[in-house]
Amino acid sequence: ILNVEQSPQSLHVQEGDSTNFTCSFPSSNFYALHWYRWETAKSPEALFVMTLNGDEKKKGRISATLNTKEGYSYLYIKGSQPEDSATYLCAFNGGGADGLTFGKGTHLIIQP
Amino acid sequence: NAGVTQTPKFQVLKTGQSMTLQCAQDMNHNSMYWYRQDPGMGLRLIYYSASEGTTDKGEVPNGYNVSRLNKREFSLRLESAAPSQTSVYFCASSLAGGYQETQYFGPGTRLLVL
Repeated sequence: ILNVEQSPQSLHVQEGDSTNFTCSFPSSNFYALHWYRWETAKSPEALFVMTLNGDEKKKGRISATLNTKEGYSYLYIKGSQPEDSATYLCAFNGGGADGLTFGKGTHLIIQP
Repeated sequence: NAGVTQTPKFQVLKTGQSMTLQCAQDMNHNSMYWYRQDPGMGLRLIYYSASEGTTDKGEVPNGYNVSRLNKREFSLRLESAAPSQTSVYFCASSLAGGYQETQYFGPGTRLLVL
């Protein structure tokens, strides 16, 4: 069983502040790292897919970086807004037919 | 275009009862997946189907069976439900299971086993 760890488990941030959190994964047999955003009572939705060491992806105020050699990815949110409140999941693909191994998520709460 | 649909949305079972969770996708995807989500745990893969006609065990297959009825539909069956199977079940699909491909998730089925 692959070990995909996310930290912190939960995070409270003031509206307008920037924040970041971490996903660590096996540095061997790396194929891709996925980030998903999961709002309460909805289903997970894809944010980014990252495949190359040094990859940096951006969508609006959210960005992510990837270090495959040391096995970690950071997700950054700039100027947090209440609508950013969600659980952010990372998922590792090691090339197996079974697809993705998910971390437990970082639960982000933006306080007005 | 509905994406991935799941039925039912919510179900209560007694220990020992059986039921089938239904999943369908209209995106012409080849690969489909069943996950369970428990408090404090990540999404854990129960079974997957890389293509029509094939199914394989994931991380937590015990107590479940699956059927890939056709390209669109992938069902999950609990033959004799146990309280440990109380969970939220998500179905997902992807185009061909490639490592860069996004998985698209259904809305989930909340199952309570008493």
